[in-house]
Amino acid sequence: EPEVTQTPSHQVTQMGQEVILRCVPISNHLYFYWYRQILGQKVEFLVSFYNNEISEKSEIFDDQFSVERPDGSNFTLKIRSTKLEDSAMYFCASRLQNSPLHFGNGTRLTVT
Amino acid sequence: SQQGEEDPQALSIQEGENATMNCSYKTSINNLQWYRQNSGRGLVHLILIRSNEREKHSGRLRVTLDTSKKSSSLLITASRAADTASYFCATVPNNAGNMLTFGGGTRLMVKP
Repeated sequence: EPEVTQTPSHQVTQMGQEVILRCVPISNHLYFYWYRQILGQKVEFLVSFYNNEISEKSEIFDDQFSVERPDGSNFTLKIRSTKLEDSAMYFCASRLQNSPLHFGNGTRLTVT
Repeated sequence: SQQGEEDPQALSIQEGENATMNCSYKTSINNLQWYRQNSGRGLVHLILIRSNEREKHSGRLRVTLDTSKKSSSLLITASRAADTASYFCATVPNNAGNMLTFGGGTRLMVKP
């Protein structure tokens, strides 16, 4: 069965550094998402992406965050200048029209 | 405002018992979805119920939806140790396009 894959599984970075989290959504999917989950807390929506542009974003998704679909297969989340509070699991997801989300296994980001 | 709040926050039962988890939401919705998350992993879609449906079954899962009370329940019958996970409800409010929003989840532990 096709899967959403995310790399790396764990990323450690220093405060102020830029990080790029990578995702390969399922190939025929149309909608792409990033969520984050701070340890022990709820899964929070960051951004949705459709037709090569952002369709919705939350208050969390401020100017420090950006997303890109640089080619036909990758979907990336960039955090320009990481803060301690950015430490979390970041989940990528994708879906077809009118279908449920398929999630990757996440990237654990640790900002020190 | 938050969409999708589950109760209880944690539930511990013996194998073979039924587990019931509840979800409440605030605004009108198109559909309500339930997802499962094993520790440290991505979320897996379980079942989707549309706003014009009242009950839906999938294997040992039964979901109900009461739009007048803005609530849903997930029943897992004849639970197994492998059902141990966190369970989340998720909704897309009518005016929120693609923004699937998750509740805080119920942590279910099934003891063998």
